[in-house]
Amino acid sequence: QQQVKQSPQSLIVQKGGIPIINCAYENTAFDYFPWYQQFPGKGPALLIAIRPDVSEKKEGRFTISFNKSAKQFSLHIMDSQPGDSATYFCAATGGNTGKLIFGQGTTLQVKP
Amino acid sequence: ETGVTQSPTHLIKTRGQQVTLRCSSQSGHNTVSWYQQALGQGPQFIFQYYREEENGRGNFPPRFSGLQFPNYSSELNVNALELDDSALYLCASSGGTSDYYEQYFGPGTRLTVT
Repeated sequence: QQQVKQSPQSLIVQKGGIPIINCAYENTAFDYFPWYQQFPGKGPALLIAIRPDVSEKKEGRFTISFNKSAKQFSLHIMDSQPGDSATYFCAATGGNTGKLIFGQGTTLQVKP
Repeated sequence: ETGVTQSPTHLIKTRGQQVTLRCSSQSGHNTVSWYQQALGQGPQFIFQYYREEENGRGNFPPRFSGLQFPNYSSELNVNALELDDSALYLCASSGGTSDYYEQYFGPGTRLTVT
């Protein structure tokens, strides 16, 4: 019940494409869902996060879509660029624990 | 505003030894969380410290221990190192003047156990 399942494991898109990464959770106590971007040899960087009271959030080229009834959320990257090539992690937490549960990660490659 | 810093960057230890990793939290943050990230995996929560007290622990044995200091910096100690402890150890800070849930990670310490 504590798991967050992320798919796909890897993704290749052309520059300008819209990669979509999906995550599913089971624990209904989760109430904060962030996405992190990680480059090789670096720590994860917080990209964007959503709470269950909204169905969509946009920040720049990054959009989170959230489906509370399906317990799923996804990251869309608009107009993707080669510099977006990285590993993306979804995560979830809730109940004031501060414990982030991470998905397994998606390696994105954006071809020029 | 200073981000999260960690030291050392890399560390090589022998099985059975002990190691101490250090983390300085982002200014304005009062909570520090530690994660272990094995190669090709997502980070796994080790524990969290708030106001110098442990505030939640993941599924890690007692040989993983920590401290938080009055300036909110933190240490992670691992005793009796095992080969499987080889990983990237990440520190994240949050809270204080920021949203409690927003965790900002440092660059990590790469630990290799031989």
